[in-house]
Amino acid sequence: QKEVEQDPGPLSVPEGAIVSLNCTYSNSAFQYFMWYRQYSRKGPELLMYTYSSGNKEDGRFTAQVDKSSKYISLFIRDSQPSDSATYLCAMSEGGQNFVFGPGTRLSVLP
Amino acid sequence: NAGVTQTPKFQVLKTGQSMTLQCAQDMNHNSMYWYRQDPGMGLRLIYYSASEGTTDKGEVPNGYNVSRLNKREFSLRLESAAPSQTSVYFCASTEYANSGNTIYFGEGSWLTVV
Repeated sequence: QKEVEQDPGPLSVPEGAIVSLNCTYSNSAFQYFMWYRQYSRKGPELLMYTYSSGNKEDGRFTAQVDKSSKYISLFIRDSQPSDSATYLCAMSEGGQNFVFGPGTRLSVLP
Repeated sequence: NAGVTQTPKFQVLKTGQSMTLQCAQDMNHNSMYWYRQDPGMGLRLIYYSASEGTTDKGEVPNGYNVSRLNKREFSLRLESAAPSQTSVYFCASTEYANSGNTIYFGEGSWLTVV
């Protein structure tokens, strides 16, 4: 079993749809959870950061962490073509080691 | 606000040639990393440096060497390039403190070994 699992997609949705991206993990010691957006031919860009369980909202983006289920989600409301990218989840226990999901490719169609 | 800067962005090498990827960060971070990203494999850690003067192997260190030149700079060297090293390479740096733990990436270096 991989340490972090993520649906690789690709996922295609119409503009304006609500998008749900998910990761599951096996290490209960993870405390810090991140979502990165990576456009084609670019580096991963930090999108959302959450510590421990709970929700965090930033504009159209909401990150949820459920540590009891070892499950994290990123919701994108009113999705736009500019949201088309690969989304990576990442986790850390709090030290220098980070574990990344393989990424989900999202296409938002006009 | 530069963040993490990598050079070169693109490079084509012949098998057996050597080259160095350069990375610098201006965020005063202690830890720096080199990852490679391949289709279907995600990001894999090659080497990291927890602080100036220290380096440690990651998941896929074979064929690579690193140098932490100072707090800002962390270079990755391919001594004898092989086609299996064709990949996208990302340098990253970490900020971690009582308030959090996040990692920031450079724009990537696309390397092709023929």
